[in-house]
Amino acid sequence: GDSVTQMEGPVTLSEEAFLTINCTYTATGYPSLFWYVQYPGEGLQLLLKATKADDKGSNKGFEATYRKETTSFHLEKGSVQVSDSAVYFCALLLFRGSARQLTFGSGTQLTVLP
Amino acid sequence: DVKVTQSSRYLVKRTGEKVFLECVQDMDHENMFWYRQDPGLGLRLIYFSYDVKMKEKGDIPEGYSVSREKKERFSLILESASTNQTSMYLCASSLYVAGQETQYFGPGTRLLVL
Repeated sequence: GDSVTQMEGPVTLSEEAFLTINCTYTATGYPSLFWYVQYPGEGLQLLLKATKADDKGSNKGFEATYRKETTSFHLEKGSVQVSDSAVYFCALLLFRGSARQLTFGSGTQLTVLP
Repeated sequence: DVKVTQSSRYLVKRTGEKVFLECVQDMDHENMFWYRQDPGLGLRLIYFSYDVKMKEKGDIPEGYSVSREKKERFSLILESASTNQTSMYLCASSLYVAGQETQYFGPGTRLLVL
């Protein structure tokens, strides 16, 4: 079945460090791909998305490129801040007939230290 | 901005009680979803709805039911709460336009069943 695999956390970085959170997927079709972020005590917020191969999603300094050949959608940021501490979820959206289903990875906890 | 609200942030119930979780969205979205979030498991889809009075089972519907009497409101019902339903419950809504869809999440309800 369809699935999303994220790098396991927790990830701890110093402020201004470079961030990569790996995400790979398995899907029978051509999914749209998303990164969501969850700050402590809050719901999920959409961070960025990409709907087709080679698309690059970007927001708030974060970027991810939809790589069909490696079935990956890795999240990157050049210089993290303490305020980026959160849980990050990779997700894919697939269409099955009239139904659409969002499948999430297990999440990666990021802690940024000052 | 899309706003998805959930009736409670925290809820404590006893085993066997009937529990109602309410979700309201203000963007006239057709689609609404209920997920539960558990550590290490990410988000799992319980039920979703593409229209008023319409519902479909997600990946883990057992022990739950839903109601969608109005477009803006989607209720999750635990007919007889059990301790293994202690979890964080997240509601989402989305609009499907021109082959693209993005889900927007509420803040979540943390349910404890004693």
